Amino acid sequence: DGGITQSPKYLFRKEGQNVTLSCEQNLNHDAMYWYRQDPGQGLRLIYYSQIVNDFQKGDIAEGYSVSREKKESFPLTVTSAQKNPTAFYLCASSISAGAGEKLFFGSGTQLSVL
Amino acid sequence: KNEVEQSPQNLTAQEGEFITINCSYSVGISALHWLQQHPGGGIVSLFMLSSGKKKHGRLIATINIQEKHSSLHITASHPRDSAVYICAVRPGNQFYFGTGTSLTVIP
Repeated sequence: DGGITQSPKYLFRKEGQNVTLSCEQNLNHDAMYWYRQDPGQGLRLIYYSQIVNDFQKGDIAEGYSVSREKKESFPLTVTSAQKNPTAFYLCASSISAGAGEKLFFGSGTQLSVL
Repeated sequence: KNEVEQSPQNLTAQEGEFITINCSYSVGISALHWLQQHPGGGIVSLFMLSSGKKKHGRLIATINIQEKHSSLHITASHPRDSAVYICAVRPGNQFYFGTGTSLTVIP
């Protein structure tokens, strides 16, 4: 079955450390997204990519970086510049087709600071 | 300013009750999504609506594009319906999400 795989499920970051969250999809979707979810808040967009080798900053891109070297992969790096990284991170992909658009999410990564 | 507003924020219901969750948005869209997030975090898509009404089992979603409003109804609610329900719209290249409605159905 097609879907989005995020790993790891739980991740701990030490101060000053960069960590990378993995997101892989086998849905053949062009568009991929990274969101941050904090308790009581809606999903906030970190970065998105509409096509391979291209990506745009979202509303809260500072302290994060991404790459899109392959259609199926969109890893997110949380850098040491992100001072409050503890949150739940969700990767998503979408496609617009004749019957409308479809939106899929991964199962998320909970990042905590040691 | 939130492009998407949901109400209520929290909802507790007795098993079997009819439930309505509302979503209003302020941007022009071609489609709206209703999503479900269970404890544990994964999000699944319930509906994509561009007009009218859709039904899937005990779930019904309606949208009025002119009034920029959508509702999600759950008939004969069950404890397994307990989750956070989120509406989302995409006026351009980005999706905008409501803050979610946390539903608890008590046996």
